[in-house]
Amino acid sequence: GAGVSQSPRYKVAKRGQDVALRCDPISGHVSLFWYQQALGQGPEFLTYFQNEAQLDKSGLPSDRFFAERPEGSVSTLKIQRTQQEDSAVYLCASSLGGQNEAFFGQGTRLTVV
Amino acid sequence: GENVEQHPSTLSVQEGDSAVIKCTYSDSASNYFPWYKQELGKGPQLIIDIRSNVGEKKDQRIAVTLNKTAKHFSLHITETQPEDSAVYFCAASMATDKLIFGTGTRLQVFP
Repeated sequence: GAGVSQSPRYKVAKRGQDVALRCDPISGHVSLFWYQQALGQGPEFLTYFQNEAQLDKSGLPSDRFFAERPEGSVSTLKIQRTQQEDSAVYLCASSLGGQNEAFFGQGTRLTVV
Repeated sequence: GENVEQHPSTLSVQEGDSAVIKCTYSDSASNYFPWYKQELGKGPQLIIDIRSNVGEKKDQRIAVTLNKTAKHFSLHITETQPEDSAVYFCAASMATDKLIFGTGTRLQVFP
């Protein structure tokens, strides 16, 4: 596919459960971003990778959130011990870097019950 | 850190009219200002962007203006069509690529 692919599209988790969200960026894109979008709000930055290096994780809300991109391509966002306030759409974006256009995936809607 | 404010939060226009959405940013180091359109159930899609060395940019019915002194930038959509109905987000970025988004404007175009 030509675009950014995220899976699953929807995830329902019981409070306290661990979840893993996957992002397949556009092939060749160096930069990868994760954003969290609460209902009716703009996306909020979580973390940024340049290839496999996590250069900025200042937006991760707590140490329950962890992201990795071990081979500089696919990335996984993991949330441990989910809480209700984690319910949101998690968006992944990739770009060539250098403030080139960031392409977003469709997002994963996480609902914690 | 950077803060981006956007208004209005909702905007209703008649088909064929113009729509204007305004944003202000706080950090003068920001130098890249994209606008995204987000339809229901989809991720944001870039519609136009502007860099700090340019004051205005136009692409068919869409234009963006930037006032660096006042630290504000605006999106102008002319001859609006029902398919323009969506949520629009402005954003600002510095060299780090990280985007700081505004809170969004829900645009409704009535036929």
